[in-house]
Amino acid sequence: EVQLVESGGGLVQPGGSLRLSCAASGFTFSTYWVAWVRQAPGKGLEWVARIKQDGSAKYYVDSVKGRFTISRDNANNLLYLQMDSLRAEDTAVYYCARGRFPSGSFYYFDYWGQGTLVTVSS
Amino acid sequence: QLVLTQSPSASASLGASVKLTCTLSSGHSSYAITWHQQQPEKGPRFLMKLNSDGSHTMGDGIPDRFSGSSSGAERYLTISSLQSEDEADYYCQTWGTGVVFGGGTKLTVL
Repeated sequence: EVQLVESGGGLVQPGGSLRLSCAASGFTFSTYWVAWVRQAPGKGLEWVARIKQDGSAKYYVDSVKGRFTISRDNANNLLYLQMDSLRAEDTAVYYCARGRFPSGSFYYFDYWGQGTLVTVSS
Repeated sequence: QLVLTQSPSASASLGASVKLTCTLSSGHSSYAITWHQQQPEKGPRFLMKLNSDGSHTMGDGIPDRFSGSSSGAERYLTISSLQSEDEADYYCQTWGTGVVFGGGTKLTVL
């Protein structure tokens, strides 16, 4: 059974940092793209970042470029999101999601975690 | 610009059927999409990948009460024999130069 379990969320002050983790199981982690998607309170889904199987390619939504860093540890089936210079507008539930990118033509998510809440407030 | 448009809300009665719509912006009618269900206080769940010709690939364990179809720039999700647990938000997603989500439709089961 595919499982994605996020952790590391919490309350942080504006300008602060937080590191999210996602533990993957039930599939060969190193052979899949993985991503972070967030959902602000009462709002829809917003893709944040994605990373290629071997970590050689990383992509970010414009609003987090230069502040967030996605990384992965294939030996331990872990995905990370380092979030620096946090802003109030980063407040959201952050989901880890497994990505599919068949033939590099269409990217989508086929499994999701339960999410971890990040609150940026003074 | 690639945009997905969804109605904010929909409702249908228990046991009935409902058809939700996701509309691709002009010039993108050949694009595939995916449908995701998000029950209250839960993470999203992948339902299906839906191609422009109406063919679709279902997610693991998704009941056959869920089906998809396409017409022009419209992509549909039909849920038959509605159950109380189908009350959820439904999102469509596509891919252009990046990931694009629709705004979601909140389905109420009466």
